[in-house]
Amino acid sequence: KNEVEQSPQNLTAQEGEFITINCSYSVGISALHWLQQHPGGGIVSLFMLSSGKKKHGRLIATINIQEKHSSLHITASHPRDSAVYICAVRSPGNQFYFGTGTSLTVIP
Amino acid sequence: DAGVTQSPTHLIKTRGQHVTLRCSPISGHKSVSWYQQVLGQGPQFIFQYYEKEERGRGNFPDRFSARQFPNYSSELNVNALLLGDSALYLCASSLAGLQGTETQYFGPGTRLLVL
Repeated sequence: KNEVEQSPQNLTAQEGEFITINCSYSVGISALHWLQQHPGGGIVSLFMLSSGKKKHGRLIATINIQEKHSSLHITASHPRDSAVYICAVRSPGNQFYFGTGTSLTVIP
Repeated sequence: DAGVTQSPTHLIKTRGQHVTLRCSPISGHKSVSWYQQVLGQGPQFIFQYYEKEERGRGNFPDRFSARQFPNYSSELNVNALLLGDSALYLCASSLAGLQGTETQYFGPGTRLLVL
């Protein structure tokens, strides 16, 4: 059983579509991170959340601490958004747990 | 400003050998974390170091060890390599990292192949 579950595992969207990636976790956390991994392995940190909502450009991340759930939304998706999106949580005991990632492909 | 750097970029070893991977954090960052990412899976947390002390450890055998130097760079050592150790090893740095509420900046990773 994984401490962090993501859905969907794979997602294909048409350019311009609104995209939602979900993350549920089963451990207590001090923070939740959304990461973007491009082919070749490079990882970029998109958001770090401990409550509420954050927005950066076309990306929005929300977290519901009571429900232990977070969502990453992409508005007006673009082919350059194609990547693997990974949800990760840090526990107060300083353990870091990762989801297996959501592979997003945006078709022109 | 240089980001997190890792060396080497690629490495091929045989079973039973040992390997040392290196990571230099962003200037001013005092915390370094190591992760293993097997092909097709999400990363797995190995270690976190802050101010040269181990602050967190994932579920990895004692064959895995690490250390952090006074300049905050870090080494990850893996002894008695197994085929299953083949993976992308990622290093990430953050300013402090003690509370787990800081953004981590990832390096490009070292691809290790064990034959």
